[in-house]
Amino acid sequence: ETGVTQSPTHLIKTRGQQVTLRCSSQSGHNTVSWYQQALGQGPQFIFQYYREEENGRGNFPPRFSGLQFPNYSSELNVNALELDDSALYLCASSLGGSGGPSRGHEQFFGPGTRLTVL
Amino acid sequence: AQKITQTQPGMFVQEKEAVTLDCTYDTSDPSYGLFWYKQPSSGEMIFLIYQGSYDQQNATEGRYSLNFQKARKSANLVISASQLGDSAMYFCAMRPFTGANSKLTFGKGITLSVRP
Repeated sequence: ETGVTQSPTHLIKTRGQQVTLRCSSQSGHNTVSWYQQALGQGPQFIFQYYREEENGRGNFPPRFSGLQFPNYSSELNVNALELDDSALYLCASSLGGSGGPSRGHEQFFGPGTRLTVL
Repeated sequence: AQKITQTQPGMFVQEKEAVTLDCTYDTSDPSYGLFWYKQPSSGEMIFLIYQGSYDQQNATEGRYSLNFQKARKSANLVISASQLGDSAMYFCAMRPFTGANSKLTFGKGITLSVRP
């Protein structure tokens, strides 16, 4: 079973630039969620993709956008980068987009991409 | 809306002893799941344990157990026989089982240091 992978591991950009982060979901999973984790904080939900469609969004501006591909891998795009976008970006994959009062809906995380905006 | 509160300052424990990490939560959803994750300095979030709100028994996974008190809205993680490799950040998280997505809401985390 292949785990969640993310690329790149580290990235340095300057203000105003655009960035694309990539995530490959765990084998058999059809849902990908993206989180932003600022230093010293818990992860904050950005959005989720279920079967190639956005399936929920957190309190992030439209310059944060994403895609999910037929193989369930995903991209996070951030336009017009700001200094506050510097963070660890985590991707998590899971099975199923909603519901489920039983276990089996755990989200498994990738190693993250550390983005620094100068 | 969901809220997770983790207020303990950095925690220290002697190797081989047990430690409890506190978590309280707030939600209006009738059905939800509670999770604990470990984040070492490498950054990856490692799933540890899950507790469903309607589960009758407290969850256990090896050295990890979850002390779930629904009426008090608490979901404390107990780590038995601490090991040096347990030194990390620990996050409590929850998600409702209503709604269209499986968004996790995280607390701010607790730093655990295991002393030899």
